Amino acid sequence: GDSVTQMEGPVTLSEEAFLTINCTYTATGYPSLFWYVQYPGEGLQLLLKATKADDKGSNKGFEATYRKETTSFHLEKGSVQVSDSAVYFCAHRYSSASKIIFGSGTRLSIRP
Amino acid sequence: DVKVTQSSRYLVKRTGEKVFLECVQDMDHENMFWYRQDPGLGLRLIYFSYDVKMKEKGDIPEGYSVSREKKERFSLILESASTNQTSMYLCASSLGDRGFEKLFFGSGTQLSVL
Repeated sequence: GDSVTQMEGPVTLSEEAFLTINCTYTATGYPSLFWYVQYPGEGLQLLLKATKADDKGSNKGFEATYRKETTSFHLEKGSVQVSDSAVYFCAHRYSSASKIIFGSGTRLSIRP
Repeated sequence: DVKVTQSSRYLVKRTGEKVFLECVQDMDHENMFWYRQDPGLGLRLIYFSYDVKMKEKGDIPEGYSVSREKKERFSLILESASTNQTSMYLCASSLGDRGFEKLFFGSGTQLSVL
């Protein structure tokens, strides 16, 4: 069935390091793809999305490109900050479907 | 700002108790959802509702029921709580037909069943 696979955490980086969190999906067809972020003590919130192949979603310095050929949607940021410490969830949804399928989440910790 | 409020941040219940988790949103959203979040498993959909008095089963509805008597309120009910229902429960809402993509989440209820 459809699923989303993320790299396991926790991921620990120093401030200003380059970040990549890998995400791949299995699906027939062309779902919309998302990254959600959960800051400590808060609910999830939408970080960015892409709705078709080769689209790039971006927000708050984070980017992810919809790669149909590799069924991937890796999250990247050029220079992370302590305030980026959170759990990141990759997700997908078909336009005809009423639910979003989430990955298991990747915890990111940034050292000052 | 959009707000989804869950009634309790932490809840401790005993096996066999009937448990109510309440969620209220103030955005006039049509769609509301209940997820549980477990380490290593991510978010799994329990139930959702796209209108008052309407409900649909998600991926793991067993042992749960829901109620949506008013548009702004969506309740999750554990008829007879069991220890395997210890989890973080997240409520979410979204707007209309196109709104299934952008979900607004509450901050969660950590339920412990002893």
